Parts: sequence; C-alpha cells; structure tokens
Amino acid sequence: GQQVMQIPQYQHVQEGEDFTTYCNSSTTLSNIQWYKQRPGGHPVFLIQLVKSGEVKKQKRLTFQFGEAKKNSSLHITATQTTDVGTYFCAGRGGGYSTLTFGKGTMLLVSP
Amino acid sequence: DVKVTQSSRYLVKRTGEKVFLECVQDMDHENMFWYRQDPGLGLRLIYFSYDVKMKEKGDIPEGYSVSREKKERFSLILESASTNQTSMYLCASSSYRGLSGYGYTFGSGTRLTVV
Repeated sequence: GQQVMQIPQYQHVQEGEDFTTYCNSSTTLSNIQWYKQRPGGHPVFLIQLVKSGEVKKQKRLTFQFGEAKKNSSLHITATQTTDVGTYFCAGRGGGYSTLTFGKGTMLLVSP
Repeated sequence: DVKVTQSSRYLVKRTGEKVFLECVQDMDHENMFWYRQDPGLGLRLIYFSYDVKMKEKGDIPEGYSVSREKKERFSLILESASTNQTSMYLCASSSYRGLSGYGYTFGSGTRLTVV
C-alpha cells in the first residue's frame, strides 16, 4: 500500500534558526496535507496542497508540493518557541482513498 | 467553532473488558475516522466511515469494531481489551470525499490504559 516517509524524525534548533521537514511518498499523490501537533495536544490541520509544484505560505511557514506530486516540504523561517511540536504530512492517493500520515518530525526550539 | 468531542480524556480498563470510545462532531461532516497514535509508529487508521451505517476497515482493524448509527456520532468498540491496545485514540472528521478532500478535524484524544 501507499507509504509516506518523513524526515528527519527529530530536530532541535536555536530560536531564530530555520527548519525544514521533508515528506516522500511511494506513489503519486492527489494532494498532501500538513498538520501540527503541540506537546500533549492533537493534530491540527495547517494546509492542503493540490497542484504540481504548488507553493503556499502562511507567515513564516512555506509549504511546497513537488512537480511529480510525490514529495513535499515544510520550511519554517526564523523559528520561535511557539513552533515547538510535531509536524505531520499526510498524503492522499487517487479516488476515495484516505490520508496516509507520515510519522512526523518533532521540532524542539531552544530560546 | 468546529468541534470533535471525545467522551473521555483518560480511561483505565481491565483486560478482557468491552470498551466503548465515543466521538461526536457538530460540523455535519460526512466522514469520520478512528486513529491510534503510538510513539514511533505515528497515526494508524483503525476504521473509517463515509456515511451513516457505513464502515470501512483501515490499516489495523483487528480487535476493534465501530458503529455509526447517526451522522454526528462514531463509536469505537474494543471487543475484549488487551494490554497491546493501550494507546492514544484520536477521532477525526472531514467533509467531502476523494480529490476534493478537506482537512481533518481531530478530537482531543482518549488515552486508554488497559491493565
């Protein structure tokens, strides 16, 4: 079945540094979504990318969907302590398929 | 504000008990999902439903069943709880199917411990 791999598993940065997490699918995706889960919380939907090569921004967060629609990335510019949490990508195949979640990247930001 | 409510935040049950986890959404969403989340394993889909009285197996349905008698309510049932079902259980809902699928709204989760 469809697999979604996410790297790195964990990253610790100093506040102000940039951060990137990468997501790769074994199959072509119809769309990809990104979620953030704060420590002790539940995943919260951030964004959905649908088009090949699509780039979307939310303040300091930049999301990209690869040309082949098999990979994606989330880049955070100048991290803040409020960015702490686990970031998940979730890919959807064709038709009525459900989302397949990556295992997430845990981000720790030191002040 | 859009909401998915799970009946219990923490639950402790004994091995062999029948356990019911309840989830209610107030957004008139068609789709509802049950996931379990374990360290190092991420989110794994147990069961999902696209409509009332309809259910589909996810990736790890063994030992679980579900019920969706009303559109807003999706129940997860552990027929005979075992210690390897100790986990965080997350319910989610979404609108639309297929390519135009929308983001999932998750509940706060139920941390189940089976002793």
